[in-house]
Amino acid sequence: AQSVTQLDSHVSVSEGTPVLLRCNYSSSYSPSLFWYVQHPNKGLQLLLKYTSAATLVKGINGFEAEFKKSETSFHLTKPSAHMSDAAEYFCVVSYTGGFKTIFGAGTRLFVKA
Amino acid sequence: GAGVSQSPSNKVTEKGKDVELRCDPISGHTALYWYRQSLGQGLEFLIYFQGNSAPDKSGLPSDRFSAERTGGSVSTLTIQRTQQEDSAVYLCASSPAGEVGEQYFGPGTRLTVT
Repeated sequence: AQSVTQLDSHVSVSEGTPVLLRCNYSSSYSPSLFWYVQHPNKGLQLLLKYTSAATLVKGINGFEAEFKKSETSFHLTKPSAHMSDAAEYFCVVSYTGGFKTIFGAGTRLFVKA
Repeated sequence: GAGVSQSPSNKVTEKGKDVELRCDPISGHTALYWYRQSLGQGLEFLIYFQGNSAPDKSGLPSDRFSAERTGGSVSTLTIQRTQQEDSAVYLCASSPAGEVGEQYFGPGTRLTVT
């Protein structure tokens, strides 16, 4: 079955320190992978996407993610956290030829001053 | 250009009443999705439209839920005989042809069933 697992429900970092949000997916077919962000009381916004081009994908607000097929992972990183990064982050997978998108359970990022 | 819009933004209804939730996708987007997000939960897929057709309705929680899309544009999600467990934020998203996962979300409709 197709699935996506976000390994941490909550991550807390200090402002200015690196961010790592972990995501693993099940591998049946060639996946497309995405990260979405949801700020409090705001809609979901696409951060970045991987669709079989470069394995290192850059997104908005300084975030990037690396597709590692051998590890079936697509972790989200940012070198230096900002207070405005505090939000819920969702890892999403879809498969070539399919239409269904599968959302992970989400990781809530807290940023301390 | 205009993003995905949803109406109403908030809806409070009494248990047993029917509700209709509306979604206006981005113009030209062929795919449209409905999701439900309960408090503190992730997104639950409800239904997907390609044009006016819904290839997969398996995510609808019960036969009280139905959805339609007309003219390849506006979609309506209808919940009949609402129950308290239907309380959630209902999110709509649209995507361009061939870009299944690249979805643009509306602000959602917060449904409260009392």
